[in-house]
Amino acid sequence: NAGVTQTPKFRILKIGQSMTLQCAQDMNHNYMYWYRQDPGMGLKLIYYSVGAGITDKGEVPNGYNVSRSTTEDFPLRLELAAPSQTSVYFCASAAGERNIQYFGAGTRLSVL
Amino acid sequence: AQSVSQHNHHVILSEAASLELGCNYSYGGTVNLFWYVQYPGQHLQLLLKYFSGDPLVKGIKGFEAEFIKSKFSFNLRKPSVQWSDTAEYFCAVPNNAGNMLTFGGGTRLMVKP
Repeated sequence: NAGVTQTPKFRILKIGQSMTLQCAQDMNHNYMYWYRQDPGMGLKLIYYSVGAGITDKGEVPNGYNVSRSTTEDFPLRLELAAPSQTSVYFCASAAGERNIQYFGAGTRLSVL
Repeated sequence: AQSVSQHNHHVILSEAASLELGCNYSYGGTVNLFWYVQYPGQHLQLLLKYFSGDPLVKGIKGFEAEFIKSKFSFNLRKPSVQWSDTAEYFCAVPNNAGNMLTFGGGTRLMVKP
């Protein structure tokens, strides 16, 4: 059982480039989340989705976009990468009941 | 909005020492509480959870946490830590709508062999 799969694991971008971080889950979870983790700052919620076709902003959505065309996939898009987006990004999913979230292995992104 | 405070940012212990990590949350009605652990280079994993019932919750690897409603606290404890417990620990609570988690800033634990 793969759980939550994130690709790529590492990426270096130049300022102004764009990229999509992929996230897929095979647990048929309705809820999916994108977080960023910065040293000493815990996890900040970027966007979340409660089901296919439904997305909403979290705490730090600026500079990011998401889509949820299927239950399984929840890609995160960076349109114009900035150094402030250097971080580790985690995707998570939950069945919706009681909020037990399952996390992917993360994507470490550097914007130079 | 819910908020979560973890007071200890860095903790260094020797093996066999006892551990207690603080977590306080703001009131938000029905309370579900979580502790997640992130071992070096790995993703977050659920350590234990509280939904209702016995306020003393036991999790994996000998960890436990006690929900004290009057203090809005959910402190994590372990009687005797091991080197393999070196990790970052996060407390989390759902928001009022129950559709997302708010995480504390994390406590980085280092256990010296």
